Amino acid sequence: DTAVSQTPKYLVTQMGNDKSIKCEQNLGHDTMYWYKQDSKKFLKIMFSYNNKELIINETVPNRFSPKSPDKAHLNLHINSLELGDSAVYFCASSRLQGTGANVLTFGAGSRLTVL
Amino acid sequence: AQSVTQLDSHVSVSEGTPVLLRCNYSSSYSPSLFWYVQHPNKGLQLLLKYTSAATLVKGINGFEAEFKKSETSFHLTKPSAHMSDAAEYFCVVGSSASKIIFGSGTRLSIRP
Repeated sequence: DTAVSQTPKYLVTQMGNDKSIKCEQNLGHDTMYWYKQDSKKFLKIMFSYNNKELIINETVPNRFSPKSPDKAHLNLHINSLELGDSAVYFCASSRLQGTGANVLTFGAGSRLTVL
Repeated sequence: AQSVTQLDSHVSVSEGTPVLLRCNYSSSYSPSLFWYVQHPNKGLQLLLKYTSAATLVKGINGFEAEFKKSETSFHLTKPSAHMSDAAEYFCVVGSSASKIIFGSGTRLSIRP
């Protein structure tokens, strides 16, 4: 069983469209994250949720809106897609919140290409 | 404030020779330190973790890292490289302030 699963794995779309990426974890973790990895492999945190509550919201355009219907799911919706949104988006989860000792379990990534 | 610097963006070694991937950190708190590996088109996987116990940490696939507070370093090593070690490696620092910071990554290539 996949611990952290993301769908879709690949997404190609036109500028201006709206798209969503879904993430689910079956580890029983309380905390989930979205990271963006650019073409130079640099990873940057976007959001973190603990038990459905937003706890980290880095400087991200408000076109990006996370949604956590329950603690096992964290979806990412992106409005009005731009070329610069092209990247690989990783979902992750961890057991502990409020400590930098968290071990993160990552999904396989969702590669978004905006044309 | 905390930060992490991976000193080499690309390291190339021959199969069977030692691997050294360098990482320096800065942290106002007692840090937790991690190494993650990312194989091509895959997600990141934890290699090893340091959280103020033994300074020499052993991880999966024969990798280990040594925490040196005086040098603020947490370099990753492996005695003998294998072709399957070719991947991107990330050094990560976490603090009690719940911040987790990723380094910029080091691409490890293995020559036959």
